[in-house]
Amino acid sequence: GEDVEQSLFLSVREGDSSVINCTYTDSSSTYLYWYKQEPGAGLQLLTYIFSNMDMKQDQRLTVLLNKKDKHLSLRIADTQTGDSAIYFCAESTASGTYKYIFGTGTRLKVLA
Amino acid sequence: KAGVTQTPRYLIKTRGQQVTLSCSPISGHRSVSWYQQTPGQGLQFLFEYFSETQRNKGNFPGRFSGRQFSNSRSEMNVSTLELGDSALYLCASSSGTSVNTGELFFGEGSRLTVL
Repeated sequence: GEDVEQSLFLSVREGDSSVINCTYTDSSSTYLYWYKQEPGAGLQLLTYIFSNMDMKQDQRLTVLLNKKDKHLSLRIADTQTGDSAIYFCAESTASGTYKYIFGTGTRLKVLA
Repeated sequence: KAGVTQTPRYLIKTRGQQVTLSCSPISGHRSVSWYQQTPGQGLQFLFEYFSETQRNKGNFPGRFSGRQFSNSRSEMNVSTLELGDSALYLCASSSGTSVNTGELFFGEGSRLTVL
């Protein structure tokens, strides 16, 4: 079956690192994504990782993928108050159907 | 390049009514997807259209329908509204082909309240 799970809330202090975790079930996933949703806005792509990669770093963002455990994580270094938002992980399969499955979202609150 | 535009942004309906939401994708994008976002369920996939054809459908009742026009603009319709249909409806566009990462570009959503 298709299911993507995330913890609902995470609270960190400004300047600390944040780690948001996600587990997925579809082993045929081709790409895994992290999207950010700020209040009153749609989702915006933060970063993505191809399924044959283990890690991807993009400035303050580090994505780790453990295919064996079907576990994806997003680490945000030096977390700022502007990082407060809902973070969604998502998986897609390029099987011609382009169906994306999103997690429930993790609400990150950064305390000053 | 203009982003994804959804109209209306906010609307209030009563039970039993029907509603039509509109989405204009990014110019050149041929795929339009619709999602329902609620606090308890997160993002639930409704359907995806590519070149006027429904290519994928989520697990929603037949009251939820959609279509795509030749200019790639899309509409979704919900008939016989129920209280549980209150949600933020998000539209996303993409090129819809396999030559890219498949990034979805989202609109700001249409917030539907059913009374």
